[in-house]
Amino acid sequence: DVKVTQSSRYLVKRTGEKVFLECVQDMDHENMFWYRQDPGLGLRLIYFSYDVKMKEKGDIPEGYSVSREKKERFSLILESASTNQTSMYLCASGKRHNRGYQPQHFGDGTRLSIL
Amino acid sequence: KQEVTQIPAALSVPEGENLVLNCSFTDSAIYNLQWFRQDPGKGLTSLLLIQSSQREQTSGRLNASLDKSSGRSTLYIAASQPGDSATYLCAVCTTSGTYKYIFGTGTRLKVLA
Repeated sequence: DVKVTQSSRYLVKRTGEKVFLECVQDMDHENMFWYRQDPGLGLRLIYFSYDVKMKEKGDIPEGYSVSREKKERFSLILESASTNQTSMYLCASGKRHNRGYQPQHFGDGTRLSIL
Repeated sequence: KQEVTQIPAALSVPEGENLVLNCSFTDSAIYNLQWFRQDPGKGLTSLLLIQSSQREQTSGRLNASLDKSSGRSTLYIAASQPGDSATYLCAVCTTSGTYKYIFGTGTRLKVLA
């Protein structure tokens, strides 16, 4: 059974903290993604990675960074957490296609609260 | 800029009913379109993927159609069951830029027993 595993289901942090969200996939997928999901706004792409050490900005990268040191692991970093980063964060992975970066499998999400 | 809209935002139907969920998009230059299901507190599960050259895809009781020229896709669910209760999202991959998905905000479906 294929799996995308996010390290925490729920996380509570304070403003100004540096926050790490971890994601691991076991499908040997080249592409990995981080989205945030907010009511009324849907899923929005923060960053994606198409190979080890490679990353591309998504639609809302401000305030975030990412790290991909190994193929199976993709980390999202909130450099200095702020209350407007309270959200559900979803990690996804996908196989490389001729074109495009489309996620195929999603993790169960991390609900992050910044106080 | 591609925009994806799903109407209605929520829907309640009695068990056994056939139903249609709608997805509309503003830019017809798409690479593919995918329908996902999301259960409360969970991630997304892929249901059906339609390539731009296809008109429809079927999986069990689900049928998705695509009309690029009118910017519309529908997800048809036959003989709905309480287990179909979930939020259904469509995502459109545009051919401009880096071929990323743009997601709709979803239709929350409740099937009543």
